[in-house]
Amino acid sequence: AQKITQTQPGMFVQEKEAVTLDCTYDTSDQSYGLFWYKQPSSGEMIFLIYQGSYDEQNATEGRYSLNFQKARKSANLVISASQLGDSAMYFCAMREGRIPRGSQGNLIFGKGTKLSVKP
Amino acid sequence: DSGVTQTPKHLITATGQRVTLRCSPRSGDLSVYWYQQSLDQGLQFLIQYYNGEERAKGNILERFSAQQFPDLHSELNLSSLELGDSALYFCASSVATGTSGTLSTDTQYFGPGTRLTVL
Repeated sequence: AQKITQTQPGMFVQEKEAVTLDCTYDTSDQSYGLFWYKQPSSGEMIFLIYQGSYDEQNATEGRYSLNFQKARKSANLVISASQLGDSAMYFCAMREGRIPRGSQGNLIFGKGTKLSVKP
Repeated sequence: DSGVTQTPKHLITATGQRVTLRCSPRSGDLSVYWYQQSLDQGLQFLIQYYNGEERAKGNILERFSAQQFPDLHSELNLSSLELGDSALYFCASSVATGTSGTLSTDTQYFGPGTRLTVL
């Protein structure tokens, strides 16, 4: 069964420093996608970054990068130069990929990590 | 702004009542997903529709039902409400037109959520 584990319930980081949020996953499928979402205190879920299981390079989106280690089944999110606005819950999610068009493809979420950025 | 709209933003009702949550997907997205976020269960997938047809069911109670209309908007109906149904309900949408083996790349964009409080 699919599973996402985020072992850090909460983390603190100093403003302008980098921080790594851990995520490990479990799947028996060879084709899957890994996603990170940010949920500020206002409640909305904001898509940050995606990594496909066949992607050879780590994904990057601005200050966000994904440290993908397939053999270890980990997909850690790295936020560089933290800002006060980065304070939020961060969720790692997975979706198995070898699915026909239009068929089921829901996300499985971890329990999240609450990141607090200190000024 | 993800482009996914949800109404209402907040809903307060009493036990035993019935409510309807509404979602409009991003323009061009054919697939709609409903998720429930509660403190004890985290983010859980409820149900998915693709172009008007139900595609997958998750942990959705029999008291809950959903549908997707020809204009692709979706409604989630919650009936015989209980205190434990209080949660944040998200709708997400995606294109979901990838060919077999690539659906994992299909990114889901979330609406702002409807916060349901059952008193």
